[in-house]
Amino acid sequence: DSGVTQTPKHLITATGQRVTLRCSPRSGDLSVYWYQQSLDQGLQFLIQYYNGEERAKGNILERFSAQQFPDLHSELNLSSLELGDSALYFCASSVATPGPSGNTIYFGEGSWLTVV
Amino acid sequence: AQSVTQPDIHITVSEGASLELRCNYSYGATPYLFWYVQSPGQGLQLLLKYFSGDTLVQGIKGFEAEFKRSQSSFNLRKPSVHWSDAAEYFCAVGRGQGGYNKLIFGAGTRLAVHP
Repeated sequence: DSGVTQTPKHLITATGQRVTLRCSPRSGDLSVYWYQQSLDQGLQFLIQYYNGEERAKGNILERFSAQQFPDLHSELNLSSLELGDSALYFCASSVATPGPSGNTIYFGEGSWLTVV
Repeated sequence: AQSVTQPDIHITVSEGASLELRCNYSYGATPYLFWYVQSPGQGLQLLLKYFSGDTLVQGIKGFEAEFKRSQSSFNLRKPSVHWSDAAEYFCAVGRGQGGYNKLIFGAGTRLAVHP
């Protein structure tokens, strides 16, 4: 158990719909990351938040957005869903210190999204 | 550009045999290096990591990896594979300013273990 908690574990929704994925980071971790894992794209970095602020952006679509709340949990919002958005979405977290500790990222078990 | 290459998409070994999974990277500076494992239907579990110092690092579940700067490689090894090691293995690189890091992953190597 990494200590990173994601809900829901599985989600099936229709095209055009909107869903929200939730993540609670490890206790004490200020940084939260979102990754997408799909068969054709592999593991892709989407976005990172640090203590409520967006820090880095990767291959995140405009239809997707995220935020990190004062209690440090994070939500990834996916809207106008398409079949190609079906994937496993990972949340991860790390401490916010320089050096090795701050660069060790722990992943949750993921949220499986199926768009039909 | 930063990248990670795992040349082997699938590897099959017999239980008890030794294992080596290859990982090559391209990175501007000396990166931090990681191996993660993903069992079927599970999340990513950190196996081991290299930051500096001894180039041979030990991880969980009996795995080790060796950093070779001259070859830009970080291969994962295990002397005797168990059936429970069947999973997908991902090599990753990254080096940020503490909490501001993002990892770059390889495409993964799927390991099958024959009894």
